[in-house]
Amino acid sequence: QVQLQESGPGLVKPSETLSLTCTVSGDSISSYYWNWIRQPPGKGLEWVGYIHYSGSTKYNPSLKSRVTILVDTSKNQFSLKLTSVTASDTAMYYCARGFCSGGNCYSRLFDCWGQGTLVTVSS
Amino acid sequence: QSALTQPASVSGSPGQSITISCTGTSSDVGGYDYVSWYQQHPGKVPKLMIYDVSKRPSGVSNRFSGSKSGNTASLTISGLQAEDEADYYCSSYTSSSTLVFGGGTKLTVL
Repeated sequence: QVQLQESGPGLVKPSETLSLTCTVSGDSISSYYWNWIRQPPGKGLEWVGYIHYSGSTKYNPSLKSRVTILVDTSKNQFSLKLTSVTASDTAMYYCARGFCSGGNCYSRLFDCWGQGTLVTVSS
Repeated sequence: QSALTQPASVSGSPGQSITISCTGTSSDVGGYDYVSWYQQHPGKVPKLMIYDVSKRPSGVSNRFSGSKSGNTASLTISGLQAEDEADYYCSSYTSSSTLVFGGGTKLTVL
């Protein structure tokens, strides 16, 4: 049974870089799409971006200039970096696996999620 | 990309049916049959309930169904149960090959 676990600092200062890692256990990181999704406290979901195990990426246009998602297949991990953060980046950050069905894998669907990690941007 | 539009809240009594709408544009909901719905209970992670407008993942109750007309997709829950009380989010693939979520709808079972 696949499990995803987010890790990283819970507090980041304004203008600095938010860095999170998602460790995947119980399955190989290969053959799937891997996503970051965030949810500000009391608000809705926002897709941040995805990376395919091959290294191809796609980002939310509203965050594109500040986001980088990388994959490390040797460690079965993928990571998120968000630069120049402000208070509006305060959110629960989830990593999630793209859904696969019938031999096809999709970047736009998520079937397994980490428990999330709350990141607060504050001085 | 702008968030898809959902009603902030809907409610229904046990046994009834409710429908949650999700309105986008021809660049997302209207342009592709790639609308999904997620259920999120308080303090829990979202769960995929419907994908590709009307398909159900294995294990999801057939009380949940989806449809689409033009730029608006809908999630219908029939035979409403107390455990259905949750937040529901739609999402859609976009013409930019990205993903956009709706603002979420809080379902209250009276």
